[in-house]
Amino acid sequence: KNQVEQSPQSLIILEGKNCTLQCNYTVSPFSNLRWYKQDTGRGPVSLTIMTFSENTKSNGRYTATLDADTKQSSLHITASQLSDSASYICVVTLRDSNYQLIWGAGTKLIIKP
Amino acid sequence: DVKVTQSSRYLVKRTGEKVFLECVQDMDHENMFWYRQDPGLGLRLIYFSYDVKMKEKGDIPEGYSVSREKKERFSLILESASTNQTSMYLCASSSGSQSYTFGSGTRLTVV
Repeated sequence: KNQVEQSPQSLIILEGKNCTLQCNYTVSPFSNLRWYKQDTGRGPVSLTIMTFSENTKSNGRYTATLDADTKQSSLHITASQLSDSASYICVVTLRDSNYQLIWGAGTKLIIKP
Repeated sequence: DVKVTQSSRYLVKRTGEKVFLECVQDMDHENMFWYRQDPGLGLRLIYFSYDVKMKEKGDIPEGYSVSREKKERFSLILESASTNQTSMYLCASSSGSQSYTFGSGTRLTVV
């Protein structure tokens, strides 16, 4: 069964600290993996997108990694800011499809001052 | 600035009412999607459309229908709202394999 699992479910860290969010997937055939940030009450906003051949991609303080062999991805946030408080969602796209996305349930990140 | 606009942020409807959720995009995207999002669950695809007047069922189409008469507009219709349709509804659009652009969402409460 195609699934995306994220951990932890929620995370609280102090402002300025780093953190890493995990995503494991069992999606096949795989096309790409995306990370989204979703502020409370808003729609998701794309952070990164990685294809099978890419193993790291950065967007400012956000760095995503992908290990296609172990089917794992991580999102690392450096020097966290209060505005990073949000849900972070991992999404995997099935190959040859622009429509079939398998969504993780997200990690809720809270940054404390 | 590219945009996906959902007509209502918050909506309260009574059981049995017919409900229309509207979504408009200004990016000339061919693909449009309706999702619902519930606590602890990933986004679930209700319907999508890859062209005008074309529609495809997603994972949870029961109780919903859609309309795409124009490229920029994709409407979600709840024929007879029920309390289990209380949820956050998200509209998105995309072009080819590009990343999706989401609207701000409509939080629907059915009482």
